[in-house]
Amino acid sequence: SQQGEEDPQALSIQEGENATMNCSYKTSINNLQWYRQNSGRGLVHLILIRSNEREKHSGRLRVTLDTSKKSSSLLITASRAADTASYFCATDSGGSNYKLTFGKGTLLTVNP
Amino acid sequence: GAGVSQSPSNKVTEKGKDVELRCDPISGHTALYWYRQSLGQGLEFLIYFQGNSAPDKSGLPSDRFSAERTGGSVSTLTIQRTQQEDSAVYLCASSGGTEYNSPLHFGNGTRLTVT
Repeated sequence: SQQGEEDPQALSIQEGENATMNCSYKTSINNLQWYRQNSGRGLVHLILIRSNEREKHSGRLRVTLDTSKKSSSLLITASRAADTASYFCATDSGGSNYKLTFGKGTLLTVNP
Repeated sequence: GAGVSQSPSNKVTEKGKDVELRCDPISGHTALYWYRQSLGQGLEFLIYFQGNSAPDKSGLPSDRFSAERTGGSVSTLTIQRTQQEDSAVYLCASSGGTEYNSPLHFGNGTRLTVT
């Protein structure tokens, strides 16, 4: 079963706007990661946030984590057409179980 | 350096035949994962190898699926007596550490079509 679930399933915005995607999970975690997948390609790691962190930035990406709500959000600011891709969150299951499980992803379309 | 390499990139097979999918992880990476992705869907965990530990096979959907990792490096995923529902993209990923904070590096996948 899926540990993480993203919403919305699909998001369409105009270039320059911000995009926010959310991820909810069920059990305690050590960390939460976000990945991006372009059509027909493998996934690329974007950012990792540890369970004791609340916010993290990387370039135009901002990730938040609320362990009390078991949720995370990924914000992409000043979006570009090249940001069009599917975005997935991935979580472990806490403890010493390092197995990562992925949600179904959010398909982001940035229109030029 | 080289990334994760998967072969073949595409495989078309007839129902009932066996197939072998290969993954060459990044050199030195101790963890290796196999996932399956159906069209427009998320990633379904199949199997996880970590160093010399017994693999976590909890995601394998049936006993027709098996995987091995020889010498802690190359991995082969075998599907016996393929069925049409096995059609999907099979993704391999490796990571460099035993810690939970090691990101995964993915190959581009093998697209399997069972006719």
